[in-house]
Amino acid sequence: EIVLTQSPGTLSLSPGERATLSCRASQSISTTYLAWYQQKPGKAPRLLIYSTSSRATGVPDRFSGSGSGTDFSLTISRLEPEDFAVYYCQQYNTSPRTFGQGTKVEIK
Amino acid sequence: QVQLVQSGAEVKKPGASVKVSCQASGFTFNQYTMHWVRQAPGQSLEWMGWINPATGVTGSSQDFRGRVTFTRDTPARTHYMELRSLASEDTAVYYCAREYETATPKALDWWGQGTSVTVSS
Repeated sequence: EIVLTQSPGTLSLSPGERATLSCRASQSISTTYLAWYQQKPGKAPRLLIYSTSSRATGVPDRFSGSGSGTDFSLTISRLEPEDFAVYYCQQYNTSPRTFGQGTKVEIK
Repeated sequence: QVQLVQSGAEVKKPGASVKVSCQASGFTFNQYTMHWVRQAPGQSLEWMGWINPATGVTGSSQDFRGRVTFTRDTPARTHYMELRSLASEDTAVYYCAREYETATPKALDWWGQGTSVTVSS
């Protein structure tokens, strides 16, 4: 099973600041099979990024993804009020399709 | 528009079973594999398994093997997840989420609203 470790657990930032979230895999993953999801309280997750760096439909271009091998990241260039949420990475390279434990981006 | 509408909240006793439904609309039913993911209170997401609606073939996480069944009713455009021998640790919100069916795996691009399942004596 591929374990995904996200850091930091919580990121306290102000609107307009840049956020960088990390996702480290316990073994190498093809860039094709790494996704990021956003989840707001009481809501279902929403796909943001697939294949490491491709934005899903309707996702603003302030969201970007990068990485390779075992190290991946999600960057939000300028935080908007609606971006404060929990973010999860997921690998869909192998079964089981594991998720990271999440990074909460909160308002400072 | 795409919709995955799940059944309502459930309260079950330990040892019982629960069956959650997920009705799909706005897309070609057989073109999307359906996955099930759960989230215990305050916890991360846990992938449970999938069903290919065109073939009925399923797969599941080892953590649930033998306890979970995925089925579908194609005319009704509805997927089902049944979890048996419930314990308090199964208290969670259960989500269905679709994956476009191709030769290579894809991310989960649309999710149901979630179904809360509470297991309590």
